[in-house]
Amino acid sequence: QVQLVQSGAEVKKPGASVKVSCKASGYTFTNYGISWVRQAPGQGLEWMGWISAYNGETRYAQKFQGRVTMTTDTSTSTADMEVRSLRSDDTAVYYCARRPPNSSGYCGAFDIWGQGTMVTVSS
Amino acid sequence: DIQMTQSPSSVSASVGDRVTITCRASQAVGTWLAWYQQKPGKAPKLLIYGASSLQSGVPSRFSGSGSGTDFTLTISSLQPEDFATYYCQEANSFPSPFGPGTKVDVK
Repeated sequence: QVQLVQSGAEVKKPGASVKVSCKASGYTFTNYGISWVRQAPGQGLEWMGWISAYNGETRYAQKFQGRVTMTTDTSTSTADMEVRSLRSDDTAVYYCARRPPNSSGYCGAFDIWGQGTMVTVSS
Repeated sequence: DIQMTQSPSSVSASVGDRVTITCRASQAVGTWLAWYQQKPGKAPKLLIYGASSLQSGVPSRFSGSGSGTDFTLTISSLQPEDFATYYCQEANSFPSPFGPGTKVDVK
C-alpha cells in the first residue's frame, strides 16, 4: 500500500545536526512532492518546506532558510531533511507528507503522512 | 505570508452533536484549503481537500464549505472516534501554513 516510513527517534546536543529520512513505497515517487511539517510538544503543526521528487526543486519557510536542507534520492524513493545548528526549541516530532501535483485536483493537500520522527535536543 | 486563524480553539461536545469549526485566511486562497484530524500521538489525517471534497475513506458526516477567506468544517453527528484536534491548512502556495487547531473534547 501507499506509505511513507520515517527513520527512528534521535537525541542530539545543541549545535549538532540531524537528518530525518522518509522512505516512500506503493507509488511512483517522482510524480509527487514531499513536504515536511513539525510539531513541538503540545503545539500545533508548522510547515517547514517542500521538495519536488521530480526535479529536486525546494521551497523553505523563511525561518528555516539556511538551516534546513531537503533532498531526495529517486533510486531509493527516499526524502531526507537535515536540520543544522539545533537548538532546544527544535525539539519536536517531524513529519514528512506527500503532496500530490496541482493537476491532481487535491489543491495542495497532503494526502499521505509518515508516522513521525521525534527529535530531542538536549544538553 | 498568509495567516490562518481558527475558531473556536476548543469545543466540548457530546456524541450525536453537530460541531462546526471555522477557519479564516488573511488573504483569499480560492478553494485551496484542507482540513486534517489529529489524535494524540498520531500523524494528521486528511479529511477534506479543495475546501469541500471528502478524502476517500472519510465518513460522510464530515463536510467542508467555503471559498476565498472563510471556511467551515462540519461534523454532522459527532461519534466517539471524532474526539481529536482539527487543523485547517492553506495549500495554495508556499509557505502552506496551518491554523492553530481546534480541540474537540468530551462535554
